[in-house]
Amino acid sequence: GAVVSQHPSRVICKSGTSVKIECRSLDFQATTMFWYRQFPKQSLMLMATSNEGSKATYEQGVEKDKFLINHASLTLSTLTVTSAHPEDSSFYICSAVQSSYNEQFFGPGTRLTVL
Amino acid sequence: LAKTTQPISMDSYEGQEVNITCSHNNIATNDYITWYQQFPSQGPRFIIQGYKTKVTNEVASLFIPADRKSSTLSLPRVSLSDTAVYYCLTTGGFKTIFGAGTRLFVKA
Repeated sequence: GAVVSQHPSRVICKSGTSVKIECRSLDFQATTMFWYRQFPKQSLMLMATSNEGSKATYEQGVEKDKFLINHASLTLSTLTVTSAHPEDSSFYICSAVQSSYNEQFFGPGTRLTVL
Repeated sequence: LAKTTQPISMDSYEGQEVNITCSHNNIATNDYITWYQQFPSQGPRFIIQGYKTKVTNEVASLFIPADRKSSTLSLPRVSLSDTAVYYCLTTGGFKTIFGAGTRLFVKA
């Protein structure tokens, strides 16, 4: 089956620094990738939709200048959390859609802890 | 996208069949119904997807009535390792909004 990877799996950073999370589709091309955030004991919250070669579409309430998304190729999307603060600590999950199928393949997630 | 409603939690015992029902009253004509499983600190894992009637794969069955306003995920003979959160979603045009999910706890 289709595999989506994320790197790093966990990261700890100081407040005020920026963190980049990579999402890769390993064996298929993904024209669309999604980024989610999940707080403990809560459901996944969609942050943005990323289409290859175009600007990401952010959900209401998500700051586009704080969560920078780049989808420069059909197999890679990156999420950069700029000037991270403790309240940004969360589990970030990406997913990728294989263009021929109506199915999302999810990455394993990245645990971000901001001190 | 249609909002989904599921029970918050369910308990079961090993070897039992578990049925989790989800309501999606406002499902769109083109939407599919997809179920995911999530373990702590992992990404969701696809279980099954259907449009109408019944779908069965190696791990579950999905029952969808004619009006498509609800669906039922059936897990045969659950084991302890099936303890997880199960999400029902309506998926159309790829964008997916997760509901609260059902926390299934399987006891020995």
